Amino acid sequence: EAGVVQSPRYKIIEKKQPVAFWCNPISGHNTLYWYRQNLGQGPELLIRYENEEAVDDSQLPKDRFSAERLKGVDSTLKIQPAELGDSAVYLCASSWTGGAYEQYFGPGTRLTVT
Amino acid sequence: DAKTTQPTSMDCAEGRAANLPCNHSTISGNEYVYWYRQIHSQGPQYIIHGLKNNETNEMASLIITEDRKSSTLILPHATLRDTAVYYCIVRPSTGTASKLTFGTGTRLQVTL
Repeated sequence: EAGVVQSPRYKIIEKKQPVAFWCNPISGHNTLYWYRQNLGQGPELLIRYENEEAVDDSQLPKDRFSAERLKGVDSTLKIQPAELGDSAVYLCASSWTGGAYEQYFGPGTRLTVT
Repeated sequence: DAKTTQPTSMDCAEGRAANLPCNHSTISGNEYVYWYRQIHSQGPQYIIHGLKNNETNEMASLIITEDRKSSTLILPHATLRDTAVYYCIVRPSTGTASKLTFGTGTRLQVTL
């Protein structure tokens, strides 16, 4: 069974530029999560989707961050414009819906903003 | 969600058991204890979870005290590949899928 797929794995951009990350969850998983992990810290949730609906986006900085999950499968997280403080690893995870099922994480995208 | 406390780092000799403690004194009755680990440059990986009974799977054992205020993750025969950051997370068991609230975890270094 294929795991959670993310691309790109690494991205270096200059500040004020836009950037997008893509995630393909495990087949059949209706719940999708985006986390951000700063250096030396644990991951922090940005947004959670149940199918196409964003059910928890309270931690998403909405002035510059946006996300979408068309057709309830793949998802894209975008930052526009990027700031130096956005340098982090962006992780995507997926799980079954309902109950506290374990989450399966992708390898992440390491973003460096210069 | 209840807060957890873990040691910042631990060492373990290869082949020996690694015992990773976690305190969660404010855990409530419907909250499970979850363990994840994160190997360098990878995403977190689920290890095991439990409510009040001890649990064992192919990766590890989870021992939860009777009052549920603390737990221990046991890797019975640690290998170099078990070197990682281990996160103990307390999470509600009911309702819709909930977020994982990660702390800073325990950095386990397995040595020869």
